[in-house]
Order: sequence, then C-alpha cells, then structure tokens
Amino acid sequence: KAGVTQTPRYLIKTRGQQVTLSCSPISGHRSVSWYQQTPGQGLQFLFEYFSETQRNKGNFPGRFSGRQFSNSRSEMNVSTLELGDSALYLCASRKAGGISGANVLTFGAGSRLTVL
Amino acid sequence: GENVEQHPSTLSVQEGDSAVIKCTYSDSASNYFPWYKQELGKRPQLIIDIRSNVGEKKDQRIAVTLNKTAKHFSLHITETQPEDSAVYFCAALNTGGFKTIFGAGTRLFVKA
Repeated sequence: KAGVTQTPRYLIKTRGQQVTLSCSPISGHRSVSWYQQTPGQGLQFLFEYFSETQRNKGNFPGRFSGRQFSNSRSEMNVSTLELGDSALYLCASRKAGGISGANVLTFGAGSRLTVL
Repeated sequence: GENVEQHPSTLSVQEGDSAVIKCTYSDSASNYFPWYKQELGKRPQLIIDIRSNVGEKKDQRIAVTLNKTAKHFSLHITETQPEDSAVYFCAALNTGGFKTIFGAGTRLFVKA
C-alpha cells in the first residue's frame, strides 16, 4: 500500500517567486491537510481539504492557497515568496468520516522549500 | 482560536527512567487527542491516541491520560530507551471538524 507522496522533495526559490507543491494521499483517504514545519515552531496548520473543498484554514496570509482534485490529490501554492516562507511543508492524509481510524494522520516526507 | 500548549519543550532523562509530557487544549469541542513521534529527519508518526470518552489508554511502555474537565492530557513513557529519543507532538481535534492542532513539540533525549 503506497504511502503519502509529496513532490518535489527539495526546491530553492528566490523572493517574489511562486511555488506549487503536490501531495498524493493514501488510496481511500479523502482528506488532505497541509502543515508548515520550522525549527522551534512545531507543526503549523495551513488548511485541510475534503471532497475538493477547503474545510478549514489556519492563520496564514492569503499568499498561501491550495486545492484538492477529484482523485483526492492536493496542491498548495505560495505566491510572492518571502524569506520567512523557508520551511518543511508536510501534507497528511486521513480517511475522515465516522469510521475506525478516520482521524489518524499519515504524513508524507515533506517538501523542503528554501527561499533565497 | 484553538490552541494546544505543550510542556516541556525539552526533556532529558536517563535510560530506564520515566518521561512525562503535558498538554493543554483550549477548544472544548475537541474529542480526539493523538500523539505523534518524529525522529530526526523523518516524518511524524502516530504512537498512541485517546478519545474524550476514555480517561486513560496504555500500549506497552506508553500511556496517555486525559482530564476533560481541566482540558489536560499527558503522555507517559516508562523504562525509556535511547530509541525513544525524538520530538513528540500532542494534538487535538474536533472529529466533527477539519483541523488537527498540534502542540509545539517536546524534544526528548534519553541518555544511555
């Protein structure tokens, strides 16, 4: 059973550019969440998608956006990159719904973004 | 808004000792409380979880306790081993919603 796949794994951008990250969830998982991880800041919630709709959003500026496709794959986009956007971006999928194990998050390996 | 506070941020114990990590949540609607372990350079992985209708849950050397009234929950690791060294994150979720909120993490060092 394939795990959560994130691409690209590493990328370097310059300030002002934009970036798109991709996340393929575990087959059968309908929800995808995105988190920003920086040293000392833990896992900051960006947003969660379910059935192609953004269901909740964290406290990030509008430069951070995302979407989910009909096959549950998700992308997140960051526009007008700033130095402070350098971080590891983790996506996580879960089954969601009222079934056993529905709330357990399975994380991808992350996309490490460096903004110069 | 929703918030999860986690303490301590760093914990160092001798091998064989116990370790306790404590968390407090703010959203009364939270009813699911997982703990994730993240080893260096790896992704977070679930190690144990507890629902709001249960006060305590054990799995071998790890246990989690929940006090709904005080909005506190804790992770207990007994007989610690060097391989327990990692960052541990507590989290809270309202299972009717779509937002798992994590604590800031606790870096646990187990000295051999």
